[in-house]
Amino acid sequence: QVQLLQSGAEVKEPGASMKVSCKASGYTFTTYYVNWVRQAPGQGLEWMGIINPSGGTTIYAQKFQGRVTMTRDTSTTTVYMELSNLRSEDTAVYYCARGGATVVNHLGPWGQGTLVTVSS
Amino acid sequence: SYVLTQPPSVSVAPGQTARITCGGNNIGSKSVHWYQQKPGQAPVLVVFDDYDRPSGIPERFSGSNSGNTATLSISRVVAGDEADYYCQVWDISSDQRDVVFGGGTKLTVL
Repeated sequence: QVQLLQSGAEVKEPGASMKVSCKASGYTFTTYYVNWVRQAPGQGLEWMGIINPSGGTTIYAQKFQGRVTMTRDTSTTTVYMELSNLRSEDTAVYYCARGGATVVNHLGPWGQGTLVTVSS
Repeated sequence: SYVLTQPPSVSVAPGQTARITCGGNNIGSKSVHWYQQKPGQAPVLVVFDDYDRPSGIPERFSGSNSGNTATLSISRVVAGDEADYYCQVWDISSDQRDVVFGGGTKLTVL
């Protein structure tokens, strides 16, 4: 079955960078886009961007442009999301979610989430 | 940027039908997707492309979309349906494409 398995929880200091991984299995990795979505404590869902695992092209939400980088490794069927210059407001659960075969599509299934805490 | 508006909360008695709305400017021209999120869990897609259901989602979940309002309906509500529900669309302009989520609606089963 389709599964997205994310890396474990992290604690980071302000100003540092974080990198979360998302290993895909159960489908052809290069066929489906992968999205990244975050959720601050007690808040709603916030889309960060999307990557095409086939060519590595990306679209980032305007809010995160310049601070976020999404990459992929086709040999390990893993997608990565790196966020730099962290501040306390970046404390959130970060999710990867498979998209469709085209950019404009629904999201699912989702990874289990990775809690990142930014604190000094 | 495009805005989706959901009521913060909806309450319904077991066995009744819950209706959760998602308002947006001419949302009827977009494809709307709905997600269910239970506490401590990742979201789950329950309706896509306005009214289609992924495999494994009960027929009790249905969707509609017209004009400025999309609606997720859950018939014969059970306690296990208590969760947060989010609507989602893509906002596409000439120079940007973005996923937009509604603020979420907490469904309480009385």
